[in-house]
Amino acid sequence: NAGVTQTPKFQVLKTGQSMTLQCAQDMNHEYMSWYRQDPGMGLRLIHYSVGAGITDQGEVPNGYNVSRSTTEDFPLRLLSAAPSQTSVYFCASSYSETGVTEQYFGPGTRLTVT
Amino acid sequence: GNSVTQMEGPVTLSEEAFLTINCTYTATGYPSLFWYVQYPGEGLQLLLKATKADDKGSNKGFEATYRKETTSFHLEKGSVQVSDSAVYFCALPSGGSYIPTFGRGTSLIVHP
Repeated sequence: NAGVTQTPKFQVLKTGQSMTLQCAQDMNHEYMSWYRQDPGMGLRLIHYSVGAGITDQGEVPNGYNVSRSTTEDFPLRLLSAAPSQTSVYFCASSYSETGVTEQYFGPGTRLTVT
Repeated sequence: GNSVTQMEGPVTLSEEAFLTINCTYTATGYPSLFWYVQYPGEGLQLLLKATKADDKGSNKGFEATYRKETTSFHLEKGSVQVSDSAVYFCALPSGGSYIPTFGRGTSLIVHP
């Protein structure tokens, strides 16, 4: 049981490049989400999914796309990287049990856009 | 939607000191409340939770009581250790879904 895995751990992009951050979980969780963490800003929700084929926007969705074709995988795509997207990105998964939800986080991807 | 406000850090303490990190919330109804901890270079992990008013969550010597009268969920520990140095996040469900919303985090630094 690997939990939530993220690849890559580190990435450097040039402005305008695109890339996909990978996230996978092996716990059969319904919910998956992407956050970005910036100094002094805490965690901000980018996109989330409540099941395969269903995604929705969070607080800061602009510049990012997601899809959820399987329960296990939830990739995050940066369409045209900008320096403002330099951040640490966390993927998380959770289940719903009578409304009580605990998030399981991956180790993060540190992205630098130059 | 629901939201949380945490005290700003960093909080700097000596080993064995008493810790309080304040968290207040705004919510519709009485949602579950959570504290998460992030150790350096890692993702967040659940520290403790409380599912209803007056519940006390506890783990690893940390405690927090769900107080609906003061809409608070303060984190406490009687004697901190250097290994407790981390960033602590208060969280609750966002209201529109089961996806939580997090406070800005409070950094704790414990000196020997």
